[in-house]
Amino acid sequence: DGGITQSPKYLFRKEGQNVTLSCEQNLNHDAMYWYRQDPGQGLRLIYYSQIVNDFQKGDIAEGYSVSREKKESFPLTVTSAQKNPTAFYLCAASVGGSPLDTQYFGPGTRLTVL
Amino acid sequence: QQPVQSPQAVILREGEDAVINCSSSKALYSVHWYRQKHGEAPVFLMILLKGGEQMRHEKISASFNEKKQQSSLYLTASQLSYSGTYFCGTETSGTYKYIFGTGTRLKVLA
Repeated sequence: DGGITQSPKYLFRKEGQNVTLSCEQNLNHDAMYWYRQDPGQGLRLIYYSQIVNDFQKGDIAEGYSVSREKKESFPLTVTSAQKNPTAFYLCAASVGGSPLDTQYFGPGTRLTVL
Repeated sequence: QQPVQSPQAVILREGEDAVINCSSSKALYSVHWYRQKHGEAPVFLMILLKGGEQMRHEKISASFNEKKQQSSLYLTASQLSYSGTYFCGTETSGTYKYIFGTGTRLKVLA
């Protein structure tokens, strides 16, 4: 069953701690994305990667870091430098980085920083 | 710059029609439309390309107005299952980076 998995679904952390959100895909897609969604708001791009070992900052990259060592994995680390990390985080993948490509989303991780 | 969607929210009776607009201040190459149910991931509906034809997904269709840099989503004879938040995702030429709109919350009542 192909798709994108994100774990965990809910995550609680203390303020000042780094936390890593997992995103795995078995679609064999080249491009992967991380978005942040706040209540009642749209999706904002954090980072994206069009190919293994390469990634670019999105619109709100400050306080976040990513890696893309394998095609199927694109973990996101929320660092203590992120001022307001509580949000719903969505990972997505597309065949390539072309504007013709559909983005397939994972189920999301809801991060709450206490 | 995030595309602006209008209206922000709309409530319909089953069977009624609605239009959701997505406007950008930048020249668009493509527009994607997604629907998100509460607490779930967005699901792709359709894509429109600059210079392309109007697209359709069941009773939902969309158009792309290049002059206005705007896309419109038309929901015809709405069903209860249409309820959710609709997002447009835009890509300006050559950036390979998607920017999603502010979202439109749609509620269909029986």
